[in-house]
Amino acid sequence: GIQVEQSPPDLILQEGANSTLRCNFSDSVNNLQWFHQNPWGQLINLFYIPSGTKQNGRLSATTVATERYSLLYISSSQTTDSGVYFCAVGSIQTGANNLFFGTGTRLTVIP
Amino acid sequence: EPEVTQTPSHQVTQMGQEVILRCVPISNHLYFYWYRQILGQKVEFLVSFYNNEISEKSEIFDDQFSVERPDGSNFTLKIRSTKLEDSAMYFCASSVRQGAEAFFGQGTRLTVV
Repeated sequence: GIQVEQSPPDLILQEGANSTLRCNFSDSVNNLQWFHQNPWGQLINLFYIPSGTKQNGRLSATTVATERYSLLYISSSQTTDSGVYFCAVGSIQTGANNLFFGTGTRLTVIP
Repeated sequence: EPEVTQTPSHQVTQMGQEVILRCVPISNHLYFYWYRQILGQKVEFLVSFYNNEISEKSEIFDDQFSVERPDGSNFTLKIRSTKLEDSAMYFCASSVRQGAEAFFGQGTRLTVV
């Protein structure tokens, strides 16, 4: 399967700070999603972004498929942003039916 | 907004018992999936289902597991004889087509004792 590496593994921010989370993957992909796992364990869709740049409020994401990485930007962080952020990718070679998840970045925003 | 719903949200079962986890995918979606997440670990793919048959499965999805779409709305995961190591959060997901955005349910936390 595809290897997905996320960095940093842990991140502690002061409320109001900005951050960048990175996702590297080992193969060509045609599906890439960012999720936020909240304290109740739910996986919340943030972005479907196999390529290009998208923005949604304080969050934005960029995927450079040719260089096999994606970035998630969080600006003006809030305590409700705390949780684990997962990157997940799917590949044409695997039929893109299944997503390979990274190990996540655990974000803690302190007031 | 349409969403994937899963029941129950929590289930505790004795080792060796059968469990059935239930999911209602988004109504116009054609691809259905089960994933699991052992506590503190990453989310792992179990199986995908399309056109009333399994289209892919992982090594985790052995003979103890089965999936079914018993009617037009439900999608189920059965574990025949649960083991302690089956304790995990199980997520159902669906997508409108292959490679499209997958939407996840809120999960069923299974505890095997």
